[in-house]
Amino acid sequence: GAGVSQSPSNKVTEKGKDVELRCDPISGHTALYWYRQSLGQGLEFLIYFQGNSAPDKSGLPSDRFSAERTGGSVSTLTIQRTQQEDSAVYLCASSLFAGPGYGYTFGSGTRLTVV
Amino acid sequence: GQQVMQIPQYQHVQEGEDFTTYCNSSTTLSNIQWYKQRPGGHPVFLIQLVKSGEVKKQKRLTFQFGEAKKNSSLHITATQTTDVGTYFCAGRNTGTASKLTFGTGTRLQVTL
Repeated sequence: GAGVSQSPSNKVTEKGKDVELRCDPISGHTALYWYRQSLGQGLEFLIYFQGNSAPDKSGLPSDRFSAERTGGSVSTLTIQRTQQEDSAVYLCASSLFAGPGYGYTFGSGTRLTVV
Repeated sequence: GQQVMQIPQYQHVQEGEDFTTYCNSSTTLSNIQWYKQRPGGHPVFLIQLVKSGEVKKQKRLTFQFGEAKKNSSLHITATQTTDVGTYFCAGRNTGTASKLTFGTGTRLQVTL
């Protein structure tokens, strides 16, 4: 596609429910990243996929968070048993490759609110 | 782990004044990138610096990468209201090709 597409754009969920956030990267981009941004804060790295390599999960805050990337394209971030501190904007980005020299293209994000 | 700090956190200037944000990393970086996030928007890639001491310009924006590759700056000359937003630096550690660590960001407000 022309850009990175994320859905839904907004999600309100009750505490304890599971949520799935979707990211459709730019076609042909091999690297895909998930970050989250709390209100007025910086970007916190969550997880990164590069081609068929094992993902770098070092930023996932707890075992309630998981992500997969199917067929080297679409990615889904799943948060189980959501907590209020999970409320944030979840940003997905892709780049042509993972190495230096490649800037990220971000999607518009999913604003998650846990009530 | 790697930390990337930016100062100031916030700056309010009048249109036409200059603005500078400084980025400091706790570790040596292989390269540094800068992003701009408009209010309510998502970060947009501006530029990448790779070489020690490198300086790049984009119209009124000047980007510098420090000699030790641990710091960087973004200077905007004669700010305009369209410059409003949060500016993030982001760097990769030397020896790693993976994720960027984003700085804490500097929010710029410009008024007439």
